[in-house]
Amino acid sequence: AQKVTQAQTEISVVEKEDVTLDCVYETRDTTYYLFWYKQPPSGELVFLIRRNSFDEQNEISGRYSWNFQKSTSSFNFTITASQVVDSAVYFCALSEAGAGRRALTFGSGTRLQVQP
Amino acid sequence: SAVISQKPSRDICQRGTSLTIQCQVDSQVTMMFWYRQQPGQSLTLIATANQGSEATYESGFVIDKFPISRPNLTFSTLTVSNMSPEDSSIYLCSGQLEGEAFFGQGTRLTVV
Repeated sequence: AQKVTQAQTEISVVEKEDVTLDCVYETRDTTYYLFWYKQPPSGELVFLIRRNSFDEQNEISGRYSWNFQKSTSSFNFTITASQVVDSAVYFCALSEAGAGRRALTFGSGTRLQVQP
Repeated sequence: SAVISQKPSRDICQRGTSLTIQCQVDSQVTMMFWYRQQPGQSLTLIATANQGSEATYESGFVIDKFPISRPNLTFSTLTVSNMSPEDSSIYLCSGQLEGEAFFGQGTRLTVV
């Protein structure tokens, strides 16, 4: 069975600090997708990134970067120079590519508070 | 990519009544799913909406309580039946296409 663990329930930082959100996953499939979503107080899910299991290249998008390591089954997310607008709940999720099991399994989420 | 329009965005309902949530996708997606997010919690899969056949429910969710329809590849509905305050949650529909997962804006339901 697939599982996603976000051990950090809540993180509080001061603006301009860097912060890393951890995500560890479990799956038996060799082909799968990993996602990060942001959920601001309004409730909608904002897509941030999708990574497939065959692509271990780290990715950077502006202040956001992701570190995918299959050896440790981790897909961590770093925000550089955090801003107040980054305050939200962040979810890591996993989708197995095999037939019959493609729905996303979400981690419990990490609430990030960025103080001015 | 795909855009999913979900409505209503929020509602306040009396216990014992039912609410139907609609999701319209702007392109044909292979799979559609319904999730529930209880207050302060993560998203939990309710069911997979199968086109032209009965939905596939996850453990803890039953068709009588959460009937789902998916008459075609771009539309699905979820009904929350005989509501109680415990059903107060955000309900989200999702479509998947070629590994991409798209979400509706969510329906924030409060049962009083």
